[in-house]
Amino acid sequence: DVVLTQSPLSLPVTLGQSASISCRSSESLVYSDGNTYLIWFHQRPGQSPRRLIKKVSDREFGVPDRFSGSGSGIDFTLKISRVEAEDVGVYYCMQGSRWPWTFGQGTKVEIK
Amino acid sequence: EVQLVESGGALVQPGESLRLSCAASGFTLSTHDMSWVRQAPGKGLEWISFIAGRDGATYYADSVKGRFTISRDSGKNSLYLQMNSLRGEDTGVYYCSLSKFASWGQGTLVTVSS
Repeated sequence: DVVLTQSPLSLPVTLGQSASISCRSSESLVYSDGNTYLIWFHQRPGQSPRRLIKKVSDREFGVPDRFSGSGSGIDFTLKISRVEAEDVGVYYCMQGSRWPWTFGQGTKVEIK
Repeated sequence: EVQLVESGGALVQPGESLRLSCAASGFTLSTHDMSWVRQAPGKGLEWISFIAGRDGATYYADSVKGRFTISRDSGKNSLYLQMNSLRGEDTGVYYCSLSKFASWGQGTLVTVSS
């Protein structure tokens, strides 16, 4: 199975500063159709997850442009510019390129 | 507006069975890919099952293969997860999700304990 390793697992950030989360895969996530199905989610406490970004860098409609995804192959990054209070919670990467689909462990973002 | 509503969660004993439902509205479920994802208390997300909209092909995580079955009913526009031989490690909130997780339900809690 593909293992996704996120780092850091805990990320204290100052309001207005930027934050980056890494997601490293145990194998390439390039699918046979040429796409890379690497997805980022945000889950606030007590809520269902919300998809932020699909296919590495394709931001969902309504997601602030403070959120950006990048990377290729096995190395991916979610960047949050100008962190706001509503950004707290847990962020997960997930791969949909190889069966079984797998999630990273999650990165907990909190305000300092 | 797309809406997904899970139901069927309960407290059951190890070895028992349970069927979860996910009622969809705002789209035709049988023509879309759908998944079940679960989350153990205080833990991360775990994908457990998928059914393809195009041909009904199904996939499962190793942790549930042979015990869980995903299915759908086009007449009721609903998705199901039949869970047999339940174990303590199956405890958690179960979510249904549309396509590659574009939309999620609110989840239903399954507790397996004697």
